[in-house]
Amino acid sequence: DIQMTQSPSSLSASVGDRVTITCQASQDINIHLNWYQQKPGKAPKLLIYAAFSLQSGVPSRFSGSGSGTDFTFTINNLQPEDIATYYCQQYVNFITFGQGTRLEIK
Amino acid sequence: EVQMVESGGGLVQPGGSLRLSCVVSGFTFNNYWMSWVRQPPGKGLEWVANIKQDGGEKNYVGSVRGRFTISRDNAKNSLYLQMNNLRPEDTAVYYCAGSAVWGQGTLVTVSS
Repeated sequence: DIQMTQSPSSLSASVGDRVTITCQASQDINIHLNWYQQKPGKAPKLLIYAAFSLQSGVPSRFSGSGSGTDFTFTINNLQPEDIATYYCQQYVNFITFGQGTRLEIK
Repeated sequence: EVQMVESGGGLVQPGGSLRLSCVVSGFTFNNYWMSWVRQPPGKGLEWVANIKQDGGEKNYVGSVRGRFTISRDNAKNSLYLQMNNLRPEDTAVYYCAGSAVWGQGTLVTVSS
């Protein structure tokens, strides 16, 4: 099974900051990686698919990069409504999620 | 508008069974692999099972293999999860998901 190691598990940043989350796969997954945002009591929402493609309707301050085993998710100009937990997900070999990153606003 | 509506959750005793359903609208259901994903209270997401467009291929996470069965009815735009021999660690919100679309989830609680 492919393991996804996501870090950090939590972080606190200020409005306007740039925030970066990383995800490492236990084996090569090419670009078969998604990033989700989940707000309390809500279903996850797809933000980035295939490592770097922005889902329709998602603000351009969200971006993704990487391939193979190392991936990065970035929020530029952090906004208060970005408070959420973020997950990476691989889908090359069944499906595995990272452990999640809880984002708080300072 | 795309909608996925899950139902069938509830409280069940250990060893019991439940059948979850997910009805899809506004979405070309038979074009997509469909999945069940669960989230225990206060914890992260765990993929449970998925099924190919024609139902000919099914995959499960190891912890549910042999106890859970995923199925679909493309004529009814519906996805199902039959859960048998339930354990307390199966307690979670269960989501159906396909492509970028997720349902709102249904809570399954396994407790005596």
